[in-house]
Amino acid sequence: AQKITQTQPGMFVQEKEAVTLDCTYDTSDPSYGLFWYKQPSSGEMIFLIYQGSYDQQNATEGRYSLNFQKARKSANLVISASQLGDSAMYFCAMREPSGGNQFYFGTGTSLTVIP
Amino acid sequence: DAGVTQSPTHLIKTRGQQVTLRCSPKSGHDTVSWYQQALGQGPQFIFQYYEEEERQRGNFPDRFSGHQFPNYSSELNVNALLLGDSALYLCASSWGQGKAEQYFGPGTRLTVT
Repeated sequence: AQKITQTQPGMFVQEKEAVTLDCTYDTSDPSYGLFWYKQPSSGEMIFLIYQGSYDQQNATEGRYSLNFQKARKSANLVISASQLGDSAMYFCAMREPSGGNQFYFGTGTSLTVIP
Repeated sequence: DAGVTQSPTHLIKTRGQQVTLRCSPKSGHDTVSWYQQALGQGPQFIFQYYEEEERQRGNFPDRFSGHQFPNYSSELNVNALLLGDSALYLCASSWGQGKAEQYFGPGTRLTVT
């Protein structure tokens, strides 16, 4: 089974609007970490936000927030007030101790912000 | 504060050749992981180095090998290159093997012809 599933190959959002990128995960470890990375066309993976499995509150970092629904094994990324510079690939990733703390990545979502 | 650096940026090799990619971790980081990202896919974990030893390995053949030096920098070696090895190779560094997030370098784009 896939560890990380991102079902939206491509998304479009109007500038200044909010957008939600979906991510579901699969693990039996009680302790794990969930991450979102942004990858512009230049290729570098840019860390956006982190959610630990025991964190009671949803993580937020500026315009980024993570909608963590543990029972549904869902970790959606919400970007508020989209900007043209947000156009990029977005990857959800998970780290679990049983996997030696390696990162498992999804297939990504391509976000395009429309002026 | 220098981030993760990788060299070279781009590389073109012929099938059957060998290649070495290099990575310097972010200042203060001691753990280096390597990932392969094929076009249109997410990164796939190759292996991780900590204290100069390979600590964890993904589902990659022995043609992929690595090394970590005392200054924490790392090399990824790929022998007997195949066309399917063409990909973006990403290096990521972190502090320790625990729960720290990983910081990625800009990657090396390898093309095998």
